[in-house]
This record gives sequence, structure tokens and C-alpha cells, in this order.
Amino acid sequence: AQRVTQPEKLLSVFKGAPVELKCNYSYSGSPELFWYVQYSRQRLQLLLRHISRESIKGFTADLNKGETSFHLKKPFAQEEDSAMYYCALSGGSGAGSYQLTFGKGTKLSVIP
Amino acid sequence: SAVISQKPSRDICQRGTSLTIQCQVDSQVTMMFWYRQQPGQSLTLIATANQGSEATYESGFVIDKFPISRPNLTFSTLTVSNMSPEDSSIYLCSARTGGGEKLFFGSGTQLSVL
Repeated sequence: AQRVTQPEKLLSVFKGAPVELKCNYSYSGSPELFWYVQYSRQRLQLLLRHISRESIKGFTADLNKGETSFHLKKPFAQEEDSAMYYCALSGGSGAGSYQLTFGKGTKLSVIP
Repeated sequence: SAVISQKPSRDICQRGTSLTIQCQVDSQVTMMFWYRQQPGQSLTLIATANQGSEATYESGFVIDKFPISRPNLTFSTLTVSNMSPEDSSIYLCSARTGGGEKLFFGSGTQLSVL
């Protein structure tokens, strides 16, 4: 069974401080990991995926297979980063590879 | 990319009634999914809506309770049948384009059952 754990329900940081949103996963195969973000009154949208190895809005996330983690990081938090962040995992083959298992989410609050 | 329109955005329903949620995509998509997000919980996949065949349900979800239609490559509906207060939740439609890497989401339907 696949599982995604986000240990923090709420994370508050000051503007300009570094941010790390934690995500750990459980999956027996080779997973594909994602971070989704939901800003206030907006729909859920993809922030980044580990395969792309890209930085979006200053955020990066590295897949650590040894620690089964995919933590989301940003060196300097901005007020507009305040949102709900979900870590998600896609595994399996065929149609199953398109299905996502989500963590419970972490609400990031950036204090001005 | 794909833009997904989902309606209604919210509804308050009486116990024992049914509600049908519609999901319209602005382009043809191979795969559509329905998720549920209960208060304080994560998003849970209900089923995969397959065009031209029956939906594939995840463990804990059955067709009699959550019948799904997928008449074409741009549209799907999810019905929440014989509702009870435990069905109060946000229901989300999502779609993934053929060969696409992104999963797009509708804006969600907030359902409250009295």
C-alpha cells in the first residue's frame, strides 16, 4: 500500500525565513512524487514534480529514496506563499500510475 | 493544459436525497478522476471515470453509492446517492491529458448534508 505523510498540519514562518515542508512516503516500487498547492479561494494546482527537477516560485524538492522523503524547501519565504500544500505520490503501472495518493496537507502561514 | 469546470460549487442537501456533480473539461482527456476530501482529511480517490466503460472504484467506494458517468472525453458526473451527514465533504474532479504529466483539478463541490 502506498502512503504519504505530512507531519505538520500548520507551519508558521516569518517573511524572509527559510521554509521546509516535510513529506515522507511509503511505497514499494519507484514512485513519482508531486507537490500541489492550494491558495486561498483557488483550486488545487501542481507546484512541482520530482522528475522535472525544477524550481517553481523559488521552491525545490529533492527525492531522497534512502529516507523516503520529498521535502519542499524555499530559502526565503514570501507572504504570497501562504497556502495549503499537499504532497502526493503516484505509483503502480497502467492506469494506476495516474492515480495520486495525497498527504493530509500542511498549511503554510508566512508572517509579515 | 486543461481547464475544468465543476458544478455546483456548493450545496446543502437533506438526508436521503441524491446530488449529481458535473465536471466539464475544455479539451479531450483520457483519464478523469473523482476525489473526496473530508473535513481535516486528505484527498481520497473515489474512482477513475473511464470513457465507454464502467468506472473503476477504489476500496471502500461502491457504484451504488457513487454512480459515475463518462459519456465522452470531456465530461463526467458523480452522483452521491442516499446521502447521510457522513457524506458531507468536498468532492473534486480531476483530469489528466493523454501523455500529459499534470493532473488538473476542478474547483470542487462543497457538500453539506443535514
